[in-house]
Amino acid sequence: AQSVTQLDSQVPVFEEAPVELRCNYSSSVSVYLFWYVQYPNQGLQLLLKYLSGSTLVKGINGFEAEFNKSQTSFHLRKPSVHISDTAEYFCAVSDRGTYKYIFGTGTRLKVLA
Amino acid sequence: ETGVTQTPRHLVMGMTNKKSLKCEQHLGHNAMYWYKQSAKKPLELMFVYSLEERVENNSVPSRFSPECPNSSHLFLHLHTLQPEDSALYLCASSQFGRQGDGGYTFGSGTRLTVV
Repeated sequence: AQSVTQLDSQVPVFEEAPVELRCNYSSSVSVYLFWYVQYPNQGLQLLLKYLSGSTLVKGINGFEAEFNKSQTSFHLRKPSVHISDTAEYFCAVSDRGTYKYIFGTGTRLKVLA
Repeated sequence: ETGVTQTPRHLVMGMTNKKSLKCEQHLGHNAMYWYKQSAKKPLELMFVYSLEERVENNSVPSRFSPECPNSSHLFLHLHTLQPEDSALYLCASSQFGRQGDGGYTFGSGTRLTVV
């Protein structure tokens, strides 16, 4: 069965510094990959997704992620973070053509002034 | 109105009450979901409806009862809840299959407190 690992439960980073949030998944079978962001007392909002094609995916708010099939990873990056990026970030994976997503446990990004 | 709308945003209920959570999507999606999000715990998938048919029920206690009367609406009926049921309940929808996968669209959630 699919599983998703977000190794870092919390990541503190100073404003304007780069950040990487790590995500690894268990299966090398064809998958779709997603990153979501959740602000306090809100639902999850889609940041970006990988379905096929280029392994470097660009999303909203200046985030990007790279699909690495050999390492079964889909790490999220931003070259320069803002205070407003403080939120919880979830990685998710689904087997192609299925309705069910497996979510990671989330990484809380705290941007410090 | 677009997206996924959940009502109410906040709900406080006693353990003997009966209440319902409502979710509505205007995206033409063919699947809808209920998730439970508790503090310091992973997102828990509760129910999945595909084309108005329940396709998944992840060992959820019977005090939670879902209903999907049509492809745009999803309800979660609550009765005789326990304090540990206090959580953020999230509704989501998606379009899966050959049409591709645009990802889940989530509502803003209902913050439920059981007293």
